Amino acid sequence: DTAVSQTPKYLVTQMGNDKSIKCEQNLGHDTMYWYKQDSKKFLKIMFSYNNKELIINETVPNRFSPKSPDKAHLNLHINSLELGDSAVYFCASSQDVMTFEKLFFGSGTQLSVL
Amino acid sequence: GENVEQHPSTLSVQEGDSAVIKCTYSDSASNYFPWYKQELGKRPQLIIDIRSNVGEKKDQRIAVTLNKTAKHFSLHITETQPEDSAVYFCARRDSGAGSYQLTFGKGTKLSVIP
Repeated sequence: DTAVSQTPKYLVTQMGNDKSIKCEQNLGHDTMYWYKQDSKKFLKIMFSYNNKELIINETVPNRFSPKSPDKAHLNLHINSLELGDSAVYFCASSQDVMTFEKLFFGSGTQLSVL
Repeated sequence: GENVEQHPSTLSVQEGDSAVIKCTYSDSASNYFPWYKQELGKRPQLIIDIRSNVGEKKDQRIAVTLNKTAKHFSLHITETQPEDSAVYFCARRDSGAGSYQLTFGKGTKLSVIP
């Protein structure tokens, strides 16, 4: 069973479109994250949710809107896609916030904006 | 969180030799230091971690050392094998209230030459 699963794996789209990436974890974790990995492989946190509550919101354009319907899901919606949004987006989860330790990453979504 | 500097950015070693990657940080409140390995096209995965109350930790061919006074920690891989080729990320976590995130280094691309 996949611990953290995200879909789609590849996403190719035109500038200006709106797209969503879905993430689900079956580990029973309380905390979920979205990371962006650019072409230079730099991993940068975008958002974090703990029990459906937003706890980290880095300097990310408001075109990016995370949504957590329950603690097992954290989806990412992106409006008006731009060329610079092209990257690999990783969902991740951890047990909880206070005993934060190991991050479990999803397999990533490679977003290409043309 | 404050940055963590990682060096070198690329490292090539002959199979069987040792590899060392070093990270430095400035925030003395950091209390947790994990290392993640990311193989080409795959997700980052935790390989070893160390807490601030420990100076060294070893797991088979990999070890991590922490120097709190100098604010640096290092990953040591002995008897390198081709399957060790990957990008390695160090990270740090704060211990302060509200510090719920890991800050990653920019990664080291390790190539083990057979």
